[in-house]
Amino acid sequence: DAKTTQPTSMDCAEGRAANLPCNHSTISGNEYVYWYRQIHSQGPQYIIHGLKNNETNEMASLIITEDRKSSTLILPHATLRDTAVYYCIVRVVSGNQFYFGTGTSLTVIP
Amino acid sequence: GAVVSQHPSWVICKSGTSVKIECRSLDFQATTMFWYRQFPKQSLMLMATSNEGSKATYEQGVEKDKFLINHASLTLSTLTVTSAHPEDSSFYICSARDRSGGPLGTGYTFGSGTRLTVV
Repeated sequence: DAKTTQPTSMDCAEGRAANLPCNHSTISGNEYVYWYRQIHSQGPQYIIHGLKNNETNEMASLIITEDRKSSTLILPHATLRDTAVYYCIVRVVSGNQFYFGTGTSLTVIP
Repeated sequence: GAVVSQHPSWVICKSGTSVKIECRSLDFQATTMFWYRQFPKQSLMLMATSNEGSKATYEQGVEKDKFLINHASLTLSTLTVTSAHPEDSSFYICSARDRSGGPLGTGYTFGSGTRLTVV
């Protein structure tokens, strides 16, 4: 699976959009980008995934660059409950395991 | 949606004893379950992949004789930390893959974790 690089930490004002970047320059054509988050002392929670098109669901939007070497997770209106560590994972959809990188610790500030 | 129940949520044990952690898929059958360990302020580290009815596959560096994994049914996997020591104190998390796989590999659900403290 391709390696990902994320900033260690970010802050975001409550009510504003949180934009979390992820670099995956060695991504292969059959690898998807997945985003999970982990609220303190809980198990990870699936957020969204995509291959090359931008995706949106009730939680977030995923923007993938045309060359697929990077992506951005967007939380449109961050709330205090969005404070968590966000993990960007790249893997083939048929793969078995999920390997987590270091993630980005997002703090939403009142 | 799919739910994975992990029990206990926290446990304190004495050094040298063994501790069993259960991971159950409540509303789906999981042919594959995964066990992770997470130290404070660190990411999740995959320990092993558990397949129903067969031996678990351990990641490099994980002692299979110390971390015993049993996946006897499609809804239950257990992790037993044998002869626990203080350095085994950690947050253990399981994950289960829905047998149907879910849409495009999203059929992975994580348990809420078990905080193990060895004193």
